[in-house]
Amino acid sequence: EILMTQAPATLSVFPGERVTLSCRASQSVSNNLAWYQQRPGQAPRLLIYGASTRATGISARFSGSGSGTVFTLTISSLQSEDFAVYYCQQYNKWPPITFGQGTRLEIK
Amino acid sequence: QVHLVQSGAEAKKPGASVKVSCQASGDTLTRLGISWMRQAPGQGLEWMGWISGYSGNTNSAEKFQGRLTMDTDTSTNIAYMELRSLRSDDTAVYYCASSCLRANCLTNYLDPWGQGTLVTVSS
Repeated sequence: EILMTQAPATLSVFPGERVTLSCRASQSVSNNLAWYQQRPGQAPRLLIYGASTRATGISARFSGSGSGTVFTLTISSLQSEDFAVYYCQQYNKWPPITFGQGTRLEIK
Repeated sequence: QVHLVQSGAEAKKPGASVKVSCQASGDTLTRLGISWMRQAPGQGLEWMGWISGYSGNTNSAEKFQGRLTMDTDTSTNIAYMELRSLRSDDTAVYYCASSCLRANCLTNYLDPWGQGTLVTVSS
């Protein structure tokens, strides 16, 4: 099973700032990695797949990069609606599909 | 565009079973795979299993094998997940999501998701 690790668990940032979230895989997942956003009380929403491709309707403020074992999600100029929990997920080798434990973005 | 709507909240006693449905619209289930995830209160996401709407093939996480059944009714475009022998630590929101059609595919990102179904297990 591929272990996905996200750091940090919580990130406090000011609105308008740029932030980078990290995700690391215990073995290479090539570029078969997705990012999701989960707002309180809502289902997760796909943001990025293939490590860097934005899903339909996702703002260009969101960008993903990385390959192999190290990945990042960058959000430029944080808006109020961006404060949420973000999960990475690998689908290179499944079953099982595995998720990181999430990074919570909170307003500073 | 696929849209998934799940059944309502359930309250169960330990040892019982729960069956959650996931109604697909905007495409036929035979063109979709469906993955099932859960999220315990205040916790992260846990993948439970996958079913191909085309072939009925399934894959599931080892920890659920023997307790989890997934199937589809292509006549109504509904996918089902049944979890048996419920315990208190099965209390969670259960999600379905559109997933890839074939086993071991390399496009198994999850989009879209259903709204979630809260299952509470308590005596």
